[in-house]
Amino acid sequence: GDSVTQMEGPVTLSEEAFLTINCTYTATGYPSLFWYVQYPGEGLQLLLKATKADDKGSNKGFEATYRKETTSFHLEKGSVQVSDSAVYFCALSDYTGANSKLTFGKGITLSVRP
Amino acid sequence: KAGVTQTPRYLIKTRGQQVTLSCSPISGHRSVSWYQQTPGQGLQFLFEYFSETQRNKGNFPGRFSGRQFSNSRSEMNVSTLELGDSALYLCASSLELAGVSEQFFGPGTRLTVL
Repeated sequence: GDSVTQMEGPVTLSEEAFLTINCTYTATGYPSLFWYVQYPGEGLQLLLKATKADDKGSNKGFEATYRKETTSFHLEKGSVQVSDSAVYFCALSDYTGANSKLTFGKGITLSVRP
Repeated sequence: KAGVTQTPRYLIKTRGQQVTLSCSPISGHRSVSWYQQTPGQGLQFLFEYFSETQRNKGNFPGRFSGRQFSNSRSEMNVSTLELGDSALYLCASSLELAGVSEQFFGPGTRLTVL
């Protein structure tokens, strides 16, 4: 079945540091890929998405490129801020027209210190 | 446009009781999915409803059930509560366009079973 693997956390960075969070996936079809962010005490917010190979999703300085050859969707940001501290989830949706289930990775907690 | 709303936000129940959680999707969204989030298991898919029909179901016991109404609002019910049912229950709605399922999440209902 479908699965998403994220790098182990937590991750602690200093403000303005470069961020990379690794994500790889296994899917039988051609999934759409997502990064969601969860701030303390809140639900999930969609951060960015990519729907086909070589697509680059971007939002709020974050970027991720859909790499079919390596089945990866790594999240990057050039300069993190304290306000980026949150839990980040990589997810896929192998939408077939019959369902819209999301499969999530375990999430990784990012802490950014001033 | 209002986002996904969930009620109540917090619930405390005791073992053996039952509970009903409610979710109102974004206006115009016909798909509603439910997820359980726990520290140990992460985010797990419960079920999805589309046009009042359960379209997909995760690997949860029959104590977990749901339904969707004609206005797309959804409820999930958990009967005979167990301590392990303590979790954050997230609802997500989606507007399916061209096969891409982008889900928008509510803030969740925090269920504590004592």
